Amino acid sequence: GDSVTQMEGPVTLSEEAFLTINCTYTATGYPSLFWYVQYPGEGLQLLLKATKADDKGSNKGFEATYRKETTSFHLEKGSVQVSDSAVYFCALTTTNYGGSQGNLIFGKGTKLSVKP
Amino acid sequence: EPEVTQTPSHQVTQMGQEVILRCVPISNHLYFYWYRQILGQKVEFLVSFYNNEISEKSEIFDDQFSVERPDGSNFTLKIRSTKLEDSAMYFCASSQDRGRNSPLHFGNGTRLTVT
Repeated sequence: GDSVTQMEGPVTLSEEAFLTINCTYTATGYPSLFWYVQYPGEGLQLLLKATKADDKGSNKGFEATYRKETTSFHLEKGSVQVSDSAVYFCALTTTNYGGSQGNLIFGKGTKLSVKP
Repeated sequence: EPEVTQTPSHQVTQMGQEVILRCVPISNHLYFYWYRQILGQKVEFLVSFYNNEISEKSEIFDDQFSVERPDGSNFTLKIRSTKLEDSAMYFCASSQDRGRNSPLHFGNGTRLTVT
């Protein structure tokens, strides 16, 4: 079945370091790909998304490119801040146009801690 | 910015008891969802709800689970007879539309502990 695999955490970085969180997927059909972020004590928030191959999603300095050839959607940020400390979830949905986006399939999440 | 609110933030219950988890979705949203995350595991889809009926559910969502929209604002998840393995964080979400370009907005979750 469809699945998402993320790199295991936790990841600890110093402020201004470069971040990569790897995500690969297995899916039938044409998935849309997402990164969600969960800050301490809060719910899941959509960080960025890409709906077709070669699309790049970006938000708040984070980027991820939908790579169909490697079935990957790695999250990157050039210079992390302490406020980026959170748990990051890669997710996909395989729906036809107009189908429900609700059945998101998530990875396990990667906890990021950024030290000053 | 409007948000999805969930109550309570933490619920402790004894095995075999019924629990109701409550959610208030964003007011103009039409699609509602429950997800759960067992500690250390993946966030898993439970059920989606539209137009007062279940539109999709996972294998996890068996007969002991039910959902309801009892009025115009609340969306509830009921677990009829809780088991130890129901202990998890339960997330409610809502979206304006069904399509892949309509993002889900999640609540902060209810941590359910079954003893």
